[in-house]
Amino acid sequence: EAQVTQNPRYLITVTGKKLTVTCSQNMNHEYMSWYRQDPGLGLRQIYYSMNVEVTDKGDVPEGYKVSRKEKRNFPLILESPSPNQTSLYFCASSLSFGLAGEQYFGPGTRLTVT
Amino acid sequence: AQSVTQLGSHVSVSEGALVLLRCNYSSSVPPYLFWYVQYPNQGLQLLLKYTTGATLVKGINGFEAEFKKSETSFHLTKPSAHMSDAAEYFCAVSDNPNSGGSNYKLTFGKGTLLTVNP
Repeated sequence: EAQVTQNPRYLITVTGKKLTVTCSQNMNHEYMSWYRQDPGLGLRQIYYSMNVEVTDKGDVPEGYKVSRKEKRNFPLILESPSPNQTSLYFCASSLSFGLAGEQYFGPGTRLTVT
Repeated sequence: AQSVTQLGSHVSVSEGALVLLRCNYSSSVPPYLFWYVQYPNQGLQLLLKYTTGATLVKGINGFEAEFKKSETSFHLTKPSAHMSDAAEYFCAVSDNPNSGGSNYKLTFGKGTLLTVNP
């Protein structure tokens, strides 16, 4: 089944403790992206990647890191999480950056930072 | 930068009634336009898209949207609401590459929560 998977689905952590949220897609997609969803703000893009080893900042990159060493994986790293990073996070992918509007979304990761 | 406005953060309709969710974009050059749906506790799913061609586009689950350049709008409609349509709906835009823009960035509206009453 074609899908985007994220792990973990739920995470409660403390301020300053480094964490990684994994994202993997099995559709051989070139383009991958991370969003955060907050009530009343919709989805905001954190980082995106147009292909392996090619990443760029989205609208809200501060406090996050990403890497794209393999085509299928696009992990999101929070080096020192803070409470304002409590949010619902979505990973998404599309066939190519030219089709970036047609994205397949993962199920989401709900992160709470205390 | 692209921006998109969804009028009404919450829309409530009765089962069988018309669904109308409003979306306006800000670009002077028509962008690519999308509607996504998010069911409770799930990720987003593409409903429909407009890039070029026919301005009335049909999507999944009986939804359709009409691109109106003069009104800079892309409203989503469904003639008859079903209980299963209850979800949050997001309008999104990206630049039109045919106008020199880069269409690799998708900008979302803040979403409209649709409630369907029995």
